[in-house]
Amino acid sequence: EDQVTQSPEALRLQEGESSSLNCSYTVSGLRGLFWYRQDPGKGPEFLFTLYSAGEEKEKERLKATLTKKESFLHITAPKPEDSATYLCAVQTSGTYKYIFGTGTRLKVLA
Amino acid sequence: ETGVTQTPRHLVMGMTNKKSLKCEQHLGHNAMYWYKQSAKKPLELMFVYSLEERVENNSVPSRFSPECPNSSHLFLHLHTLQPEDSALYLCASSQAWTSTDTQYFGPGTRLTVL
Repeated sequence: EDQVTQSPEALRLQEGESSSLNCSYTVSGLRGLFWYRQDPGKGPEFLFTLYSAGEEKEKERLKATLTKKESFLHITAPKPEDSATYLCAVQTSGTYKYIFGTGTRLKVLA
Repeated sequence: ETGVTQTPRHLVMGMTNKKSLKCEQHLGHNAMYWYKQSAKKPLELMFVYSLEERVENNSVPSRFSPECPNSSHLFLHLHTLQPEDSALYLCASSQAWTSTDTQYFGPGTRLTVL
């Protein structure tokens, strides 16, 4: 069965303390992996799409990487405004549906 | 208006009420989606419409009835809901269903069923 697991469930960082969020997946074949940011009471906001192992994408303090089994979202020198829930989704080769993980709730303290 | 909009943003209804959620996308996309987001659970895909035709129904109870009158508008008609249906209902759109196009989400409707 296709599955997406995100870890940790929650993460508290001091401002400037870099860290990584993990998204591991077990799927029959990968069409694409998507990262979203979701603020409380709002819909998910698109961040990145990764298609193949070895691919990397960057945006401001965020960098997403992809291997054959997992993706990492690296946050460099985070700021309080980076506090949000980060969602990972995969689209498998057998279907066009997105399979979402449960997310990582990030809190960055000033 | 830009992106994907949803109304109302909050809805409280009794179990015997009938209400509707509305979604509108201003992105020129051809596919639209309804998702349910409950606490500590992954987003659950409910329905997919491609060019106004329903292409996916993920075993959703009949008390949820979708409608897609054109490629820009999507409705979710609700009747005889249960308290466990309380959740954030998200609408999304993408350029096409059968592709790796990114799905863009609206702000959601927070539904509470009493």
